[in-house]
Amino acid sequence: AQKVTQAQTEISVVEKEDVTLDCVYETRDTTYYLFWYKQPPSGELVFLIRRNSFDEQNEISGRYSWNFQKSTSSFNFTITASQVVDSAVYFCALSEAYSGAGSYQLTFGKGTKLSVIP
Amino acid sequence: DAMVIQNPRYQVTQFGKPVTLSCSQTLNHNVMYWYQQKSSQAPKLLFHYYDKDFNNEADTPDNFQSRRPNTSFCFLDIRSPGLGDAAMYLCATSRGQEDRRETQYFGPGTRLLVL
Repeated sequence: AQKVTQAQTEISVVEKEDVTLDCVYETRDTTYYLFWYKQPPSGELVFLIRRNSFDEQNEISGRYSWNFQKSTSSFNFTITASQVVDSAVYFCALSEAYSGAGSYQLTFGKGTKLSVIP
Repeated sequence: DAMVIQNPRYQVTQFGKPVTLSCSQTLNHNVMYWYQQKSSQAPKLLFHYYDKDFNNEADTPDNFQSRRPNTSFCFLDIRSPGLGDAAMYLCATSRGQEDRRETQYFGPGTRLLVL
């Protein structure tokens, strides 16, 4: 069974600080995808990134960067120079090749609530 | 431009009174999903449609039903809402042309309150 662990329930940082959100996953598949979603107070889940299990290159998009390490089953997310608008709940999720009975289920972590204080 | 639209954004219903939540999409995606998200929890998949094929998760209560009259629209019907059904309901879509690992795109959600 697949599992995603986000050990940090809540994080508070002061604006302009860097912050890293941790994600550790478990899967028996050799081929899978990892995702990060952002959920601001409005409630919508906003897709941020999708990473193939075969691609371990780190990715940077503006102030966001992701560090995928297959050896430690981790897919961490760093926000550089955080801003108040980054305040949200961030979910890490895993999708395997087959999750049973035709299901397209994403396995989500429990989320990390990030508060950026001005 | 909104791609996954959910109406209404807020819905208040009475205990036991049937309620319908709607979702529409302009992405022409084959797969549509309904998730339930309770406060401070991760979203939980209720069911999904691949085209017209309905797929129910094993632990989804019978109280929850869904309809997909065409590619663009999908409805969530709660036949007899209980207080425990108060939650955010999220609709999502994916293309359905890849395998099960493709990206899901979410709507803004409908927050349901049961009185």
